[in-house]
Formats: sequence, structure tokens, C-alpha cells
Amino acid sequence: NAGVTQTPKFQVLKTGQSMTLQCAQDMNHEYMSWYRQDPGMGLRLIHYSVGAGITDQGEVPNGYNVSRSTTEDFPLRLLSAAPSQTSVYFCASSPGTGGHQPQHFGDGTRLSIL
Amino acid sequence: ILNVEQSPQSLHVQEGDSTNFTCSFPSSNFYALHWYRWETAKSPEALFVMTLNGDEKKKGRISATLNTKEGYSYLYIKGSQPEDSATYLCAYATGNQFYFGTGTSLTVIP
Repeated sequence: NAGVTQTPKFQVLKTGQSMTLQCAQDMNHEYMSWYRQDPGMGLRLIHYSVGAGITDQGEVPNGYNVSRSTTEDFPLRLLSAAPSQTSVYFCASSPGTGGHQPQHFGDGTRLSIL
Repeated sequence: ILNVEQSPQSLHVQEGDSTNFTCSFPSSNFYALHWYRWETAKSPEALFVMTLNGDEKKKGRISATLNTKEGYSYLYIKGSQPEDSATYLCAYATGNQFYFGTGTSLTVIP
């Protein structure tokens, strides 16, 4: 099993460019989420999904879009990248919803916006 | 914005020492408290999910306790080994939203 796979691992963008960070899981997990990791701060939830077709906002959703057309995939879109979105992004999945199941994390995507 | 505090921020211990750290969280709207271990250049790995007041969980030399009424959880490591060196994160779950602390960085000196 691959677990949670994130691509790309590294990306450099210019301000105003758009990009999609990919996340896929092969564990048939209901819950998927995106976090950003910034220096001196804990992981902050951007968006999450409790199943195909259902998404909701986390703590820091502005500037990001998500969709979940299949159970396996949960891409994160930056429509117009800004330097403030320079961060390390983690995707995670969990077998159940409601916070009672552990999350499995991908290896992260390091994104720099110039 | 919900506050999850972890202390201390970092800790250096000698091999064989036992140690513990704290996670503080709001005592209202509690669903679950998660502990994760995060080694350098890897991704966070789940240790425990705790849901009931008074819960105690154990995995090898690592254990955790939970007090939801006063809003804290302790993580204990007995007889620390160099391979225990990592950052330990806690996350407060309220429904489907997770709020992470900034972590406690543990270094075990051989």
C-alpha cells in the first residue's frame, strides 16, 4: 500500500500563477484534509472532506480551493499564488470522520512563491 | 481561533531518563485528543487517539493520559532512547476540525 501520496514534492511559483497540489490515498478513507506548516506555528487546517462530493473549510481556507470527486483524490488549488502561501503543505486521510480516528499523513509538498 | 498549547517547546534528556510533556486545550466541545510523533524528514505518525476523560493509552515505553475537564493531556516516555528523538505533536479535534499545537522537540543524548 502506498498510503497517502502527494505530488509534487517541491514547487516554485511566481506570484499570480495557479497550481494544483495533488493528494491521493489508496486506503478507502472517508476523511481527507489539507494542512499548511509554517515556522513557529502548528499544522493549520486549510480544507477537509468527509467523503466524495463533500468539502468544508478549515481554519485558514482563504486563497485555496478543493474538490473531492472520488474517494481517493483530494487536490488543493491555488488560483492566484501569493508570497504568503509559501509553506509546506501536508495532506492527510483518516478512515472515519468526527475526529475519532488517527490521521495518516503524506510526505508533504514544499511550495515557494516568488 | 482555538488555542492548543504544548510545553515545553524543546527538551534534551540523557538516554535512559524518563520524561513527560503537556498538551493544553479548551475543555469545551471536546471530541478527541490526538498525539503524533514527527521525525525529521518524515511525516507525522499517529501515536494515540484519546476520547474519554481519564483515558490512559500505552504503546511500548510511551504512554498518555487525558483530563478533558481541565483540558490537558500528558505524554510520558519511560527510559528514553536516541530513537525517541522527534517532535511530538498533539491535536485537539472538535468534530471534523483539528487544531494542532506547535509541538515539543525531544532530543535524547546517548
